[in-house]
Amino acid sequence: SQTIHQWPATLVQPVGSPLSLECTVEGTSNPNLYWYRQAAGRGLQLLFYSVGIGQISSEVPQNLSASRPQDRQFILSSKKLLLSDSGFYLCAWSGVAGGTGELFFGEGSRLTVL
Amino acid sequence: GENVEQHPSTLSVQEGDSAVIKCTYSDSASNYFPWYKQELGKRPQLIIDIRSNVGEKKDQRIAVTLNKTAKHFSLHITETQPEDSAVYFCAASDASNYQLIWGAGTKLIIKP
Repeated sequence: SQTIHQWPATLVQPVGSPLSLECTVEGTSNPNLYWYRQAAGRGLQLLFYSVGIGQISSEVPQNLSASRPQDRQFILSSKKLLLSDSGFYLCAWSGVAGGTGELFFGEGSRLTVL
Repeated sequence: GENVEQHPSTLSVQEGDSAVIKCTYSDSASNYFPWYKQELGKRPQLIIDIRSNVGEKKDQRIAVTLNKTAKHFSLHITETQPEDSAVYFCAASDASNYQLIWGAGTKLIIKP
């Protein structure tokens, strides 16, 4: 069966520090991968999505970036965190492209920027 | 592009009563409408979805209805139980951008 792992689960970072969140998927090949952010009490904001290795689409201009170095690995990064980057980050995968299939979410990474 | 509005933002119902959450969308080309449940501090999980060629879909106590003409869809939960307490999100596919567009969420509170 397919599983998705995301880490770290929790992190507290100072403003201006770098960030790296990692997500891996097991049990499937060529998944569509997504990074979402959820501010406290808010909905889901799509940050990046990828349909294949090295293919990244950005939905929101910001100081975050994403990379997909391997088929089932998706990384969210920042060189310098801002206070506004605080939130709950969710990685997700889908076997169906185009936003018309079930999304399977990782357990999330709660980021607090101080 | 697609825009999805969700109401109410908070819904409090007595245990055993029904709950209804409504969403409207703007893009008539949207053809997929999922509902996700997110318990506190946990990941969202799909609970039911509907495609544009169907008007209603049921799964035990949960049902979704779709009105393509009016461009709205609703989640119905009957005989609510304490474990139904969560935030529920609707979404609609954005045919032009090949993505899901999400509603802002509804916090459902089940009163004992």
